[in-house]
Amino acid sequence: QQQVKQSPQSLIVQKGGISIINCAYENTAFDYFPWYQQFPGKGPALLIAIRPDVSEKKEGRFTISFNKSAKQFSLHIMDSQPGDSATYFCAASIIGNQFYFGTGTSLTVIP
Amino acid sequence: DGGITQSPKYLFRKEGQNVTLSCEQNLNHDAMYWYRQDPGQGLRLIYYSQIVNDFQKGDIAEGYSVSREKKESFPLTVTSAQKNPTAFYLCASSILLAGGPSETQYFGPGTRLLVL
Repeated sequence: QQQVKQSPQSLIVQKGGISIINCAYENTAFDYFPWYQQFPGKGPALLIAIRPDVSEKKEGRFTISFNKSAKQFSLHIMDSQPGDSATYFCAASIIGNQFYFGTGTSLTVIP
Repeated sequence: DGGITQSPKYLFRKEGQNVTLSCEQNLNHDAMYWYRQDPGQGLRLIYYSQIVNDFQKGDIAEGYSVSREKKESFPLTVTSAQKNPTAFYLCASSILLAGGPSETQYFGPGTRLLVL
């Protein structure tokens, strides 16, 4: 049973466009929602994270939108660049640091 | 220069052989984790440890074993009982606040295991 559902599986965006990746969860006990970026052959790196007491967090071109009532959160990448081409994972965590990961989205930004 | 190191980067296993993947961290983190990554399946938790000399099974522990003799080290052994070991293995660590909120997990560079 997938605790965190992520979509789309793959995404192609033009340079300068907006990339949007969505995740949904069921367990209301989750208290931390990070997004990770992973390049081929490398470990995931934390990109941005949010806690459920806020609805939006922005860091540079990356924004998390969080909808507690809908149990959904999304990653928006503004002005997408070819260097953003990577796999993105959402995750959700419970106190005690049990992380549950989405299945990943492969983003390709074309020049 | 703090971080998590995993070795080797590539590892080959023969039939019936046990192999051990190394994970070391100098972040002074209490908790350490092992994940397996397969294409299209995200990251699946194999084992985790919140304190030295203690560890718990994750979702896919069968065919794997771990030890946590030192805070800095959390080696993973892939035993011959694991019939489909080919995957990318990731080690992670985090601060652990007793009864507190979740904290970020930081990942190592990974080890790719291939079966000969």
